[in-house]
Amino acid sequence: DVKVTQSSRYLVKRTGEKVFLECVQDMDHENMFWYRQDPGLGLRLIYFSYDVKMKEKGDIPEGYSVSREKKERFSLILESASTNQTSMYLCASSRWNEQFFGPGTRLTVL
Amino acid sequence: QQQVKQSPQSLIVQKGGISIINCAYENTAFDYFPWYQQFPGKGPALLIAIRPDVSEKKEGRFTISFNKSAKQFSLHIMDSQPGDSATYFCAASKSGGYQKVTFGIGTKLQVIP
Repeated sequence: DVKVTQSSRYLVKRTGEKVFLECVQDMDHENMFWYRQDPGLGLRLIYFSYDVKMKEKGDIPEGYSVSREKKERFSLILESASTNQTSMYLCASSRWNEQFFGPGTRLTVL
Repeated sequence: QQQVKQSPQSLIVQKGGISIINCAYENTAFDYFPWYQQFPGKGPALLIAIRPDVSEKKEGRFTISFNKSAKQFSLHIMDSQPGDSATYFCAASKSGGYQKVTFGIGTKLQVIP
């Protein structure tokens, strides 16, 4: 079974802090994605990566950056967390069309 | 700009009934249309998917109907069960290589006994 793991299920941070969300997949997938999920807005793509050290902006990249130094690991970075970044963050990986999601990290920024 | 419009946002169905969720897309380059199912506390998981060369795909109690000319597709859940209570997302993408997936806003389905 494909497994996508995320470093934390719940995270509470303060405004202005630098936040790292880590995602690891074990199926050697080329593509990895970061989404945020908000009620009434669905899943919105923040960034994606199709290869090591490659990244592409999604629909809402502002306030975020990413890092992919190894194929299995994709990190989402909030350089200076703000309250409007309080959300559920979902990581996914894929080789072709099917995306495999992690369980999500619920981030609260106070 | 919402490229995949999904309705309704919430749905309550009696056990044994039919649940119907509708989606419409704008980009005619899309050629892969999956539905994802998400239970509370879990990430979404692929439920069923269709390509535009067929008008219907059935897997057990779940059926996708696809209308290419209207740019619409829908999920039908026959004989809905309380265990089907979840959030359902339709999505669309181009197939092949690395591709962004555009998701609908989700439908929270509650099946009541």
